[in-house]
Amino acid sequence: QKEVEQNSGPLSVPEGAIASLNCTYSDRGSQSFFWYRQYSGKSPELIMFIYSNGDKEDGRFTAQLNKASQYVSLLIRDSQPSDSATYLCAVNVLSNYQLIWGAGTKLIIKP
Amino acid sequence: EADIYQTPRYLVIGTGKKITLECSQTMGHDKMYWYQQDPGMELHLIHYSYGVNSTEKGDLSSESTVSRIRTEHFPLTLESARPSHTSQYLCASSEPLGDREKLFFGSGTQLSVL
Repeated sequence: QKEVEQNSGPLSVPEGAIASLNCTYSDRGSQSFFWYRQYSGKSPELIMFIYSNGDKEDGRFTAQLNKASQYVSLLIRDSQPSDSATYLCAVNVLSNYQLIWGAGTKLIIKP
Repeated sequence: EADIYQTPRYLVIGTGKKITLECSQTMGHDKMYWYQQDPGMELHLIHYSYGVNSTEKGDLSSESTVSRIRTEHFPLTLESARPSHTSQYLCASSEPLGDREKLFFGSGTQLSVL
């Protein structure tokens, strides 16, 4: 079992709809959770982070964390073609404070 | 403009050659990282540094070395390149985000070993 798992996709969503990306993790001691966006041929960039159970909103993005169920999700409202990218989930492992990365979910927003 | 730079952007080299991938940042960050990323796969940590004269090994470090003589410079060296080293290499630096950190990545070096 991988430490951080994501559905590789591609996830195809119509423009204007809500895109929902999910990530599960195996280490119950994980403390911090990050979503990075990576456009094709580019490097990852941080778009959201969450530390506490519940929802955290930033513009069109909402991160949701459920530590009991060991999953974190990213919702993108009013999806735009410019949101088409691979979304990487990264988790801070308490044991060594390093980030453990998922393989990413490729999101395609169809005009 | 503060940034993080990697050179070369692309490199094709023969088996057995020694290569150094360059990484420099102008943001004054103490922490720097080297990651390896294959298409559709996770980022894997190769090496990291907490500051000058500090280097630590990650999961995939056994065939490479790094140095941190200056804050802004964190080169990665492969002593003898092999086809299995063909991959994308990403350098990153980080700034504090509360008691966590935010990573800034360079544009990457795509390495092909023939």
